[in-house]
Amino acid sequence: GENVEQHPSTLSVQEGDSAVIKCTYSDSASNYFPWYKQELGKRPQLIIDIRSNVGEKKDQRIAVTLNKTAKHFSLHITETQPEDSAVYFCAATFQNNNDMRFGAGTRLTVKP
Amino acid sequence: DSGVTQTPKHLITATGQRVTLRCSPRSGDLSVYWYQQSLDQGLQFLIQYYNGEERAKGNILERFSAQQFPDLHSELNLSSLELGDSALYFCASRTAAGGPNTGELFFGEGSRLTVL
Repeated sequence: GENVEQHPSTLSVQEGDSAVIKCTYSDSASNYFPWYKQELGKRPQLIIDIRSNVGEKKDQRIAVTLNKTAKHFSLHITETQPEDSAVYFCAATFQNNNDMRFGAGTRLTVKP
Repeated sequence: DSGVTQTPKHLITATGQRVTLRCSPRSGDLSVYWYQQSLDQGLQFLIQYYNGEERAKGNILERFSAQQFPDLHSELNLSSLELGDSALYFCASRTAAGGPNTGELFFGEGSRLTVL
């Protein structure tokens, strides 16, 4: 069935270092891939997204890359800051873009 | 504020009981999604509605049901509650159900259900 795999489940970096989170998806028809950040006790919020007709997208310190052939996409955060500490979820759409499934999440900790 | 409203914010009930969670989507959004998030877990997709019709179904238990009304608000009904149903239930809305302009999911603050 439809599936999104996300790795790693936890990630700890020093402030200023880069962080990379990777996801794979199962449906070759998927065409929308958002990333959400969820702080403790709060709702998930979109931080960046990419569509299947684009290979890379960047927004300040955050970038996402997509490899449609490999059905793989990644989130890159550069110059990490303590406020980047949160759980990050990747997602992909399925069933003709009706269904949006999330990865299991990555708990990122940025140590000052 | 995402514009998605969920009520109640917190709910405590006993095993075997039934509860209803309510969601009002953002103005103009036709699609409503329900997700379950257990403690320190991911977002499990339950069900999606578009303009009153069910469009996609995930890992929703038979004890759970949902609907979307003509005014586009949605309700998630949870019955014969078990301890394991304790979770944060998120509603999210989106402008379109699919197609090239499909965009961001906007999440409500969630309804925290505790089953004792």
